[in-house]
Amino acid sequence: KNEVEQSPQNLTAQEGEFITINCSYSVGISALHWLQQHPGGGIVSLFMLSSGKKKHGRLIATINIQEKHSSLHITASHPRDSAVYICAVGSNFGNEKLTFGTGTRLTIIP
Amino acid sequence: EPEVTQTPSHQVTQMGQEVILRCVPISNHLYFYWYRQILGQKVEFLVSFYNNEISEKSEIFDDQFSVERPDGSNFTLKIRSTKLEDSAMYFCASTPLAGNTGELFFGEGSRLTVL
Repeated sequence: KNEVEQSPQNLTAQEGEFITINCSYSVGISALHWLQQHPGGGIVSLFMLSSGKKKHGRLIATINIQEKHSSLHITASHPRDSAVYICAVGSNFGNEKLTFGTGTRLTIIP
Repeated sequence: EPEVTQTPSHQVTQMGQEVILRCVPISNHLYFYWYRQILGQKVEFLVSFYNNEISEKSEIFDDQFSVERPDGSNFTLKIRSTKLEDSAMYFCASTPLAGNTGELFFGEGSRLTVL
């Protein structure tokens, strides 16, 4: 069973700050997903990673397969980035089940 | 932009009643999922569906739950006899690729409240 840990659980920062959210998992994976959950509850996929690094706008996601660790970075943070960020991993046995972290609640203050 | 749509957005039901939650996945996607999030808790996998059959299910997905794709567009989750602990947000998702290697597209969720 894969354990997915995220840190921090809560993060409050000033607008413009550089944000880092971390995710660690215990068992080898096929892919790692970073998701954003809006205050209304809807979930949006930000990244799907199996190695290396991906960038989309102000968001950057990295993964270190050997260390079983991923980070999500937000540059020049903005109040609209306030949301819960969730890490989810799929096992490397080719099955369909995703295991989710508990999420990091990010609040960006203007 | 194509999107996954879910109905209803919110349903209130009495314990013991049957509930059907509906989802319309993105049209060219082949893999469909239901997830559940109890208030204040993490998202949990319920079931995956491919080629008109369940490909994997979690221990949560017991005999009270069923899924089907009745008409090639809708993807439904049925809870046969709801319990208080079924109160949660239910998310449908779809992807064109299997094995958790494709980007997931989520619906906005259906909030189920069991009284």
